[in-house]
Amino acid sequence: DQQVKQNSPSLSVQEGRISILNCDYTNSMFDYFLWYKKYPAEGPTFLISISSIKDKNEDGRFTVFLNKSAKHLSLHIVPSQPGDSAVYFCAASDNAGGTSYGKLTFGQGTILTVHP
Amino acid sequence: DVKVTQSSRYLVKRTGEKVFLECVQDMDHENMFWYRQDPGLGLRLIYFSYDVKMKEKGDIPEGYSVSREKKERFSLILESASTNQTSMYLCASSTHRGPLGEQYFGPGTRLTVT
Repeated sequence: DQQVKQNSPSLSVQEGRISILNCDYTNSMFDYFLWYKKYPAEGPTFLISISSIKDKNEDGRFTVFLNKSAKHLSLHIVPSQPGDSAVYFCAASDNAGGTSYGKLTFGQGTILTVHP
Repeated sequence: DVKVTQSSRYLVKRTGEKVFLECVQDMDHENMFWYRQDPGLGLRLIYFSYDVKMKEKGDIPEGYSVSREKKERFSLILESASTNQTSMYLCASSTHRGPLGEQYFGPGTRLTVT
């Protein structure tokens, strides 16, 4: 049972344009969402997060939007740069229960390629 | 600067061998995690630990065990390696004191079982 899904295995965009990566979840107990970026031969690195009490969080070129009613979140990268080419994972956690110990459930990942 | 290190970047083992993957973090984090990453499946949690000598099964614990004797070290053990355990293994750590859920990852170990 895949509780976090990234339905697009890959995305290709032109440098300078917007990249939109999407993520859907099924578990209504999730209350915190994160995006990670992974380059080949490296571990994932944290990019941006959002709490379920918000619908938007922005950090420089990166913005995450959360639509709780649709159980959907998206990551916008504007403008996209070739160095953004990587695998992007969305992840979710249920912290309100107090026993999650920071456990994350990850999506399958989306390979983003930004062409010069 | 936070650091999670894994004992090997690449490992080749034979079917039936016992395999140890080691992970060390220097951030005094309480929580540690082992994932495997496979194409199309993302990161799947194998085991995690929230304290020394404490462990909890993740989503795919079958065929694996773990050990956490010291706070900074979390070991993943494949009791009898099989070809379907060929994968990228990632270790991560996090703290109750930091941002919720933010995990720091090691560089990964690419394990091939022949």
